Amino acid sequence: NAGVTQTPKFRVLKTGQSMTLLCAQDMNHEYMYWYRQDPGMGLRLIHYSVGEGTTAKGEVPDGYNVSRLKKQNFLLGLESAAPSQTSVYFCASSYSTDTGELFFGEGSRLTVL
Amino acid sequence: AQRVTQPEKLLSVFKGAPVELKCNYSYSGSPELFWYVQYSRQRLQLLLRHISRESIKGFTADLNKGETSFHLKKPFAQEEDSAMYYCALGVCRGANSKLTFGKGITLSVRP
Repeated sequence: NAGVTQTPKFRVLKTGQSMTLLCAQDMNHEYMYWYRQDPGMGLRLIHYSVGEGTTAKGEVPDGYNVSRLKKQNFLLGLESAAPSQTSVYFCASSYSTDTGELFFGEGSRLTVL
Repeated sequence: AQRVTQPEKLLSVFKGAPVELKCNYSYSGSPELFWYVQYSRQRLQLLLRHISRESIKGFTADLNKGETSFHLKKPFAQEEDSAMYYCALGVCRGANSKLTFGKGITLSVRP
């Protein structure tokens, strides 16, 4: 049982480049989330999804887009990367209709030069 | 709006000393509080939640609605407790269900 898997785990981009982070979960969870983790800032919610085909903005959505075309996948896109987007990105999923327990991926470290 | 405050960034104690990691929250509704932990090179994982009232790895946390606090405590710290700890507040249900995390605190337990 893989749980939550994020790809890639590491990536270096130049300013202005685009990329997509993929999150896949095999637990049949309805809810999926993208967080970014920065020193001194903790975990901040970027976007989330409460089910296939739905997405919603979190605390820091600017500069990111997401899609949930399949229940098991949640994609995070950066159309034009900026140095301020250098961070560690975490995907998480949860099962229940209340907040419940989140299951996290291992994280993806993104550096924008 | 909901908010979680962890006032300290770092707590360093010696093995065997008591530990208290502070967490205060701001929320007008009925809160659900959690503590998550991230050990070195491991995934962020749930440590405990207030509704279960469990003791996990010797840690306990009591929800104090009067003081809007959910402090994490352990009477005798162990070196393996060294990690990053996040307090989280769960708000709403259904279409707006999500967790708000504090900024986290690094616990360092010295031998």
